[in-house]
Amino acid sequence: KNEVEQSPQNLTAQEGEFITINCSYSVGISALHWLQQHPGGGIVSLFMLSSGKKKHGRLIATINIQEKHSSLHITASHPRDSAVYICAVSPPYTDKLIFGTGTRLQVFP
Amino acid sequence: EPEVTQTPSHQVTQMGQEVILRCVPISNHLYFYWYRQILGQKVEFLVSFYNNEISEKSEIFDDQFSVERPDGSNFTLKIRSTKLEDSAMYFCASSVESALQGGQFFGPGTRLTVL
Repeated sequence: KNEVEQSPQNLTAQEGEFITINCSYSVGISALHWLQQHPGGGIVSLFMLSSGKKKHGRLIATINIQEKHSSLHITASHPRDSAVYICAVSPPYTDKLIFGTGTRLQVFP
Repeated sequence: EPEVTQTPSHQVTQMGQEVILRCVPISNHLYFYWYRQILGQKVEFLVSFYNNEISEKSEIFDDQFSVERPDGSNFTLKIRSTKLEDSAMYFCASSVESALQGGQFFGPGTRLTVL
């Protein structure tokens, strides 16, 4: 069983739709990260959170530590949001990140 | 805006050859990482490096792998004798603080193809 599970694996949306990507993890963590991987392969950090909620522009990330679950929301989605969104966790007392398999999002005009 | 750079962008090598992948982390960052992503699979942690030594490594990072920060700016990953299964995208990352405390900045990756 993967330590970090994401759903859905693939997601298509029409421009303007509200998007939710889910992440569940089975290990103890000190922080959870959301990252974006572009079609060319480059990875960009979006959020690091250990509790509550963070917002940046049209992106919102939430985490529920008790339920070991996080969500990434995109409001008013746009074709340029098309990418793979990856959830990763930092276990306690370690520098490594454990990655999920990613959610491939395609937003059509 | 400062960024992590990696060279080369694509490296093709014969099985058994040594390769060195190079990274220039962001200048004030103290923590350095290598990850790899085999085509179609998830990103996997290889090694973290702090204060001129390895702070953690995964099971993947065996004796064939080594890392070095030779001159205070470059951070290199060496694979001594490449195998076909080493073919992957290799990402370098750096951060000001440890992964427990701060986000990591990723380089664009080096695609390694072992023939």
